[in-house]
Amino acid sequence: ETGVTQTPRHLVMGMTNKKSLKCEQHLGHNAMYWYKQSAKKPLELMFVYSLEERVENNSVPSRFSPECPNSSHLFLHLHTLQPEDSALYLCASSQEEGPTSYNEQFFGPGTRLTVL
Amino acid sequence: GQSLEQPSEVTAVEGAIVQINCTYQTSGFYGLSWYQQHDGGAPTFLSYNALDGLEETGRFSSFLSRSDSYGYLLLQELQMKDSASYFCAVSSNYQLIWGAGTKLIIKP
Repeated sequence: ETGVTQTPRHLVMGMTNKKSLKCEQHLGHNAMYWYKQSAKKPLELMFVYSLEERVENNSVPSRFSPECPNSSHLFLHLHTLQPEDSALYLCASSQEEGPTSYNEQFFGPGTRLTVL
Repeated sequence: GQSLEQPSEVTAVEGAIVQINCTYQTSGFYGLSWYQQHDGGAPTFLSYNALDGLEETGRFSSFLSRSDSYGYLLLQELQMKDSASYFCAVSSNYQLIWGAGTKLIIKP
């Protein structure tokens, strides 16, 4: 148990569906992240939020829309996804965000997303 | 571009020692981290090196050479539970840049 929870753990959706992934951290951290993990590829950083403000958006398609209503919760809204978006979506949190010398990230268990 | 290179797979015997290498090329560098991920699980933090040298934590050690843009993770007295994927990651300009991971297979 890392202190970061994600729901749902598994999600199957069609290309026309709209769904949301939820992440909650119980660690009192100030930064939260969304990553995409595909087999045999590096983790791809999608979004970073620091103190509820988005500070990074790595050229992610607009069919992915993040929301951070407070420092403990992070959502990823999904709509009109493509089959190539099927992957494990990981949420993480850290104490701070930025070029600090040490910034361990704590990960949730992920949501395994399948787009049909 | 920014990249980290690590072997895709390493095989070792239970009780042995294994070293997983990581070379990096990034525009900024604050430190090198290692994470472990079991199948179906979340990545968990193992170690962090900001300065050159060896950091030891129990059976695991991590080494960094900033001049060579190189680091490694050393696992001693391997146990079956160490079977997992191991990722190196560079702290660089507001984010972690990740390697693709090394799958460690341990044989009895």
